[in-house]
Amino acid sequence: EDQVTQSPEALRLQEGESSSLNCSYTVSGLRGLFWYRQDPGKGPEFLFTLYSAGEEKEKERLKATLTKKESFLHITAPKPEDSATYLCAVQAKRGYNKLIFGAGTRLAVHP
Amino acid sequence: EAQVTQNPRYLITVTGKKLTVTCSQNMNHEYMSWYRQDPGLGLRQIYYSMNVEVTDKGDVPEGYKVSRKEKRNFPLILESPSPNQTSLYFCASSLKRDRFYEQYFGPGTRLTVT
Repeated sequence: EDQVTQSPEALRLQEGESSSLNCSYTVSGLRGLFWYRQDPGKGPEFLFTLYSAGEEKEKERLKATLTKKESFLHITAPKPEDSATYLCAVQAKRGYNKLIFGAGTRLAVHP
Repeated sequence: EAQVTQNPRYLITVTGKKLTVTCSQNMNHEYMSWYRQDPGLGLRQIYYSMNVEVTDKGDVPEGYKVSRKEKRNFPLILESPSPNQTSLYFCASSLKRDRFYEQYFGPGTRLTVT
């Protein structure tokens, strides 16, 4: 069964304290892996798409990487405005019209 | 402004009373989808549509119906709501090809069924 697991469930950082969020996946052939950001009371906002192992994408303080079993979202020198829930989703080659989401990581960055 | 709109944003209803949540996008996107979000379970896909008159089931379609008569609209219908359908619902849309899953999400509809 296709599955996505994110860890940790919650993460508290001090401003400037870099860290990483993990997304482990089990799918029958990966077509794409996606990262979204979700603020309280709002819909998810697209961040990155990764298609193959070894690929990396960057946006401001965020950098996403992909291996054959997991993806990491690295946050460098975070600011309070980076506080949000970060969601990971995969698109499998089988049933490729569907997205499978993880439960998310709640990130809180304190001044 | 490019956006996905949903109405209503909040809804409290009773078991068995039919309801419709509307979704509209102004980006001429072909692909649209409905999700529900529950604590600890993440986003789960209910139904999706590849284009007008083309819809298919996601992972949790039971108790829901959809239709896609126009490209911009994709309403979610609960014929006989039950308390286990209390949830936060999101509509999303995306271009069909290169940015297939760079989805734009609506603001969400919080539904409570008593």
